[in-house]
Amino acid sequence: GAVVSQHPSRVICKSGTSVKIECRSLDFQATTMFWYRQFPKQSLMLMATSNEGSKATYEQGVEKDKFLINHASLTLSTLTVTSAHPEDSSFYICSARDSKQETQYFGPGTRLLVL
Amino acid sequence: QQQVKQSPQSLIVQKGGISIINCAYENTAFDYFPWYQQFPGKGPALLIAIRPDVSEKKEGRFTISFNKSAKQFSLHIMDSQPGDSATYFCAAMYSGSRLTFGEGTQLTVNP
Repeated sequence: GAVVSQHPSRVICKSGTSVKIECRSLDFQATTMFWYRQFPKQSLMLMATSNEGSKATYEQGVEKDKFLINHASLTLSTLTVTSAHPEDSSFYICSARDSKQETQYFGPGTRLLVL
Repeated sequence: QQQVKQSPQSLIVQKGGISIINCAYENTAFDYFPWYQQFPGKGPALLIAIRPDVSEKKEGRFTISFNKSAKQFSLHIMDSQPGDSATYFCAAMYSGSRLTFGEGTQLTVNP
């Protein structure tokens, strides 16, 4: 299947700092990318949908000024957690939808720990 | 209308047995139903998917059964192996929409 990469896979930061997570579709073009958050033993919670070249659409309750999303190209989207706090600690997963079909492929996830 | 209900929440099966996970949906506009497998600390991986024009799809040991009139679909894992132990998510969507996920099923296959 198609490959989606995420970087970094794990990050530990101090409270108040900003963290950027990259999501890349390696072998296909993705006009739409999604960012999810997942807590232990729970399902995936969609945070936002990003379309290449336009502003992201955020789900209700997700602070767009805190979780900045940029989708600058058909293969790259970034999520920046600004002024991170311990409650932002979570597993963040991106996914990319192949522009030629409906299939959505997920990245390996990024474990964020805010101290 | 957007919910997908998944059961059971957890499942324990002996090696060689059949694992069955069920999902039900409400939105009749859904026309794509994938199943994802997720190992601890990893992202979900697409396992198998079906569209409502067929009632069954089989790929190796994995089979999706789809009942359009009942608005239900299920994943069957034949000859379950310890390596199949993971969390399984069903999902549903229609063209241009986002995926709506079930709550997940934690499968444990005992050796």
